[in-house]
Amino acid sequence: KNQVEQSPQSLIILEGKNCTLQCNYTVSPFSNLRWYKQDTGRGPVSLTIMTFSENTKSNGRYTATLDADTKQSSLHITASQLSDSASYICVVSDGGSYIPTFGRGTSLIVHP
Amino acid sequence: GAVVSQHPSWVICKSGTSVKIECRSLDFQATTMFWYRQFPKQSLMLMATSNEGSKATYEQGVEKDKFLINHASLTLSTLTVTSAHPEDSSFYICSASADGNTEAFFGQGTRLTVV
Repeated sequence: KNQVEQSPQSLIILEGKNCTLQCNYTVSPFSNLRWYKQDTGRGPVSLTIMTFSENTKSNGRYTATLDADTKQSSLHITASQLSDSASYICVVSDGGSYIPTFGRGTSLIVHP
Repeated sequence: GAVVSQHPSWVICKSGTSVKIECRSLDFQATTMFWYRQFPKQSLMLMATSNEGSKATYEQGVEKDKFLINHASLTLSTLTVTSAHPEDSSFYICSASADGNTEAFFGQGTRLTVV
């Protein structure tokens, strides 16, 4: 069964600090891995999408890494801002059916 | 990124009535659309996958006769919650993809409250 596990479940940091969110998956065959940011009561917004051959991809203060051998990904947020407070969701798509499997998300709270 | 519009953003309905939610891809043709529901502090749960012109594929445990999905065109999919009950109250979100393998873009979600 395809699974996506995220850690930590929740995280509280001070404004300006960096943080790293983790995603482990068992989806096979692998198609792509995406990180989304979801504000409360809103639809998810894409941050990065990575395919098998990509190791690192950045989008502003967000940097995602992918290790396809160990089936792990991380999302690093640099110089956090109050607006970064949201749920961050890791989504891995099956290369056969293309159906995405969602992680439970990491709830990030940035305090001033 | 591409724009996916969901309508309405929120709706309140009485028990026993039906509610239709629309999902439109505004600037691209979406061969595949996904429908999700999300309970508070939970992750998105895939309900069904629909391909344009075909019947939707429902996930295990999702009643296809209760959650009617229509994907008649490349830019529009609808989800109709029939005979709604209070336990159907949830956040419903759609996503659209050009071909099922490329990035899927999400709508803003619909908050359904059944009273």
